[in-house]
Amino acid sequence: QFQLQESGPGLVKPSETLALICRVSGYSISAGFYWGWVRQAPGKGLEWIGSTHRDGSTLYNPSLKSRVTISVDTSKNELSLNLALVTAADTAVYYCTSDSSVRWFFYWGQGLLVTVSS
Amino acid sequence: EIVLTQSPGTLSLSPGESATLSCRASQDVDSRYLAWYQHKPGQAPSLLLYSASLRAAGTPDRFSGGGSGTGFTLTISRLEPEDFALYYCQHFGSSFTFGPGTRVDVK
Repeated sequence: QFQLQESGPGLVKPSETLALICRVSGYSISAGFYWGWVRQAPGKGLEWIGSTHRDGSTLYNPSLKSRVTISVDTSKNELSLNLALVTAADTAVYYCTSDSSVRWFFYWGQGLLVTVSS
Repeated sequence: EIVLTQSPGTLSLSPGESATLSCRASQDVDSRYLAWYQHKPGQAPSLLLYSASLRAAGTPDRFSGGGSGTGFTLTISRLEPEDFALYYCQHFGSSFTFGPGTRVDVK
């Protein structure tokens, strides 16, 4: 069964790097698909962060591009997100996503709340 | 960059009624790159429709979509209790854009 599970610290200090992992089960990342991250700040709508493919190609939200790195580790079957220099505005529920198409997201993790606070 | 707007912001309806949600793009978009999601509190969003009108796996047939160019709609023909939620449209061009959402709540 295809499953995505986010993990990482629930609290990050301002100016530090937010680092999350998404463990994929029921499917091999090396087989294909597109993998990405979407977040939702409290009281706000959905915001796409970025997407990647096993071939190493990446797309990032232009508003976050300078601070974001998304990559896949096929040996661990994991997707990672690194967001540098975080501020309180980065407080959000972070979702790991995937689909066979680059154009939308069918598979979602349950989400992980990350709070940026000192 | 394409901007998506959704209307109304909130739709208050009763179970059994029909709902029509609108998504407007700031410029013409290819309907093959337009999707709709349902989002309930405490849950992950769920893909409802893709390519503007095609139902994703598991989407009941009371959900339908249409439109072209700059205007798209999501219609829920007979609201079930589990349909009261937030709905987002999403477009993929050179990047992904979500609309601000329409909340469908119980009247």
